Amino acid sequence: EIVMSQSPVTLSVSPGERATLSCRASQSVSDHLAWYQQKPGQAPRLLTYGASTRATGIPARFSGSGSGTEFTLTISSLQSEDFAVYYCQQYNNWPYTFGQGTKLEIK
Amino acid sequence: EVQLLESGGGLVQPGGSLRLACAASGFTFSNHPMSWVRQAPGKGLEWVSAINNSGGRGGRTYYSNSVKGRFTISRDDSKNTLFLQMDSLRVEDTAVYYCAKDPGIHLWSNYFDSWGQGTLVTVSS
Repeated sequence: EIVMSQSPVTLSVSPGERATLSCRASQSVSDHLAWYQQKPGQAPRLLTYGASTRATGIPARFSGSGSGTEFTLTISSLQSEDFAVYYCQQYNNWPYTFGQGTKLEIK
Repeated sequence: EVQLLESGGGLVQPGGSLRLACAASGFTFSNHPMSWVRQAPGKGLEWVSAINNSGGRGGRTYYSNSVKGRFTISRDDSKNTLFLQMDSLRVEDTAVYYCAKDPGIHLWSNYFDSWGQGTLVTVSS
């Protein structure tokens, strides 16, 4: 089973600033990596897939990058609605596995 | 608009059974693989099970190691409904269970572009 590790666990950033979230895989997942956003009491929402392709309706301030074992989600100019928990998911191998999440909080 | 509505959650004793359902609308359900993903209280996401589109031959199924042999995923394309039969439930199965849609049409994309709001399963004596 591929283990996904996210860092940091919590990230404190001021509105308007940039946030950089990291995700590492225990073995290569090629570009088979998705990012999700989850707000309290809500279901997750797909942000990006294929490591860097934004999902339908996702603002351009969200960008994904990376391949192999190292991936990054960057949110430029944070808006109030962006403060949430973010998860990465690999889908290169069964079983699908998620990272433990990064909580993005207001500084 | 895609809608996924889970039902069937509740309180059950260890060793008991529950059957979850997910009613789908707003898309051609039979074309898409589907999954169940769970989230224990205050914890992260854990993929549970997946089933491909039936294609008239019955859906191919996959399970996480933590539920293999105890849970069974199935689908009824005539009713646009996904199911999860959960047997031999354990305290550690306590979680919100989400159904999730794979965007692939007649093939796996392996990520999830739509999610239901979830149904809570509590396993406790």
